[in-house]
Amino acid sequence: KQEVTQIPAALSVPEGENLVLNCSFTDSAIYNLQWFRQDPGKGLTSLLLIQSSQREQTSGRLNASLDKSSGRSTLYIAASQPGDSATYLCAVIGVTGANNLFFGTGTRLTVIP
Amino acid sequence: NAGVTQTPKFRILKIGQSMTLQCTQDMNHNYMYWYRQDPGMGLKLIYYSVGAGITDKGEVPNGYNVSRSTTEDFPLRLELAAPSQTSVYFCASSQLAGGRETQYFGPGTRLLVL
Repeated sequence: KQEVTQIPAALSVPEGENLVLNCSFTDSAIYNLQWFRQDPGKGLTSLLLIQSSQREQTSGRLNASLDKSSGRSTLYIAASQPGDSATYLCAVIGVTGANNLFFGTGTRLTVIP
Repeated sequence: NAGVTQTPKFRILKIGQSMTLQCTQDMNHNYMYWYRQDPGMGLKLIYYSVGAGITDKGEVPNGYNVSRSTTEDFPLRLELAAPSQTSVYFCASSQLAGGRETQYFGPGTRLLVL
């Protein structure tokens, strides 16, 4: 069964700092990996989707990388802002089984002004 | 274009009561999903549907039922509420299978069973 782990569980950084969030998964047979943002009391918003054949995706100040062979992904946030404060979840879809996302438990990010 | 909408936003149930969580999407997506999120945990799939009239179990289906009579609606039914069903429930939809595009999530329904 796919297990997705995110470390650290919580992270506080001063505004303007660059930061990296980590995600690891146990089964490398994945279709894609996605990073989501979740604000308190809200639903999930997709940030980046990396297909299994890709190594990275970029959107604005966000860059996500994927190393399928080692079962790892990172989300890099450049020049962090207080508005980036949220919980960041990574999720993978396996190539077999139900068409569902396997989620990590998330990293709660606080950017201090 | 509202995306994925869920009702109610919050509900308190007594043990043994039943209720239906509503989910509607207006993007004409074939695939719809129900997840639950427990505190400090990731989301787990309850049920999913690949089109009207077709549903299948996910990782944690016990205690729940679903139906999909139209493309737009995918209600989740709790027949005999138990404290273990206290959670936040998210509905999601996508057009393509196999993760070729992202899933779009609703705002969630917070359920408390006492």
